[in-house]
Amino acid sequence: TQLLEQSPQFLSIQEGENLTVYCNSSSVFSSLQWYRQEPGEGPVLLVTVVTGGEVKKLKRLTFQFGDARKDSSLHITAAQPGDTGLYLCAGAGPGTYKYIFGTGTRLKVLA
Amino acid sequence: NAGVTQTPKFQVLKTGQSMTLQCAQDMNHEYMSWYRQDPGMGLRLIHYSVGAGITDQGEVPNGYNVSRSTTEDFPLRLLSAAPSQTSVYFCASSYSRTSGSANEQFFGPGTRLTVL
Repeated sequence: TQLLEQSPQFLSIQEGENLTVYCNSSSVFSSLQWYRQEPGEGPVLLVTVVTGGEVKKLKRLTFQFGDARKDSSLHITAAQPGDTGLYLCAGAGPGTYKYIFGTGTRLKVLA
Repeated sequence: NAGVTQTPKFQVLKTGQSMTLQCAQDMNHEYMSWYRQDPGMGLRLIHYSVGAGITDQGEVPNGYNVSRSTTEDFPLRLLSAAPSQTSVYFCASSYSRTSGSANEQFFGPGTRLTVL
């Protein structure tokens, strides 16, 4: 059974601080995705990483896919209150249609 | 485009009752799926479909049925509701039916279900 473990589970930081969220698995994934979810809404895709070692940037957010395609990280530079939300990693293993989601990291950025 | 729509938004059931959660998408997506979200558990896949007439089980299928008679609609049926099915349910759709797909999933706003 494929699992995606995220850490930390909760994170409360001051505006302007940097942070990194991790998504780890013992299984290989064809690709990994990062979503952000606001209260009362469904998740919204931030990025998809496909190639081992790939790094993608989305403004102050930097996403990395591990060389072995078993893990990923999300780094936020100079966090802002608008970054507050639940961050979820997700993926489907090779040859499967079944997406799995990580347990999520709940981020709160204080002004 | 309305995207992915779900009804109802809220529902309270008594143990043993049955009901259907509705999900529709207007993006002509082949792949549709149902998830449940519980505190500290992320989203767990219940059932999915790679096209009309094709469905399969996800991680937590027990107590739920699905059917896909059209590309647009993917209803989720609770056969005999139990308190353990209290959760927030999300429907999602995606363009591609390719296995291991990297395609974006579009989510509906969710249905908050309470079973007493």
